[in-house]
Amino acid sequence: DAGITQSPRHKVTETGTPVTLRCHQTENHRYMYWYRQDPGHGLRLIHYSYGVKDTDKGEVSDGYSVSRSKTEDFLLTLESATSSQTSVYFCAISAGGDYEQYFGPGTRLTVT
Amino acid sequence: GENVEQHPSTLSVQEGDSAVIKCTYSDSASNYFPWYKQELGKRPQLIIDIRSNVGEKKDQRIAVTLNKTAKHFSLHITETQPEDSAVYFCAASIYNQGGKLIFGQGTELSVKP
Repeated sequence: DAGITQSPRHKVTETGTPVTLRCHQTENHRYMYWYRQDPGHGLRLIHYSYGVKDTDKGEVSDGYSVSRSKTEDFLLTLESATSSQTSVYFCAISAGGDYEQYFGPGTRLTVT
Repeated sequence: GENVEQHPSTLSVQEGDSAVIKCTYSDSASNYFPWYKQELGKRPQLIIDIRSNVGEKKDQRIAVTLNKTAKHFSLHITETQPEDSAVYFCAASIYNQGGKLIFGQGTELSVKP
């Protein structure tokens, strides 16, 4: 597996609380992505980054924000978690925008 | 925007048989089509991909075909084995748009010994 880690791997939180998920890579890849996976929906892109401080929205960005202050780290923040954000979150990395994407191990988030 | 439809949602085959999963896409500008395999509780793993300048690509027992005119692409697995059992996802992206992948809904493949 590519050098991608995600933390935490599991988290249970309450509605209305802020949550930050971290993706860390050791591959020095320029592109990083956050997807969520829900039954019946496959994987859907939340936000992505094409460089330090360069980010853009994906299909399902409402309620999420991201930051990338270093090449190796991409943070996903839920400012005020809702039950609809209960999901498995995957980070992915790519050497370029049109290159293969490799996924991290995922974070299972439950919002009660 | 791009939309990817994947069929069937479930597929059951006997060991040694072939399996075919089909995807259609809506945006004719899409030019990169990867396939991922995901085992239960694990991350999606890239197994094969194809770009729009190629009609077919093979890697041992798996192959992908692309029909740009009809806007569909397919995954073919020959001589299936129990370890091929997993959920398979197709995806599509458009060149020079950040590599944003649009995924199909997934196919759960079960290979019975």
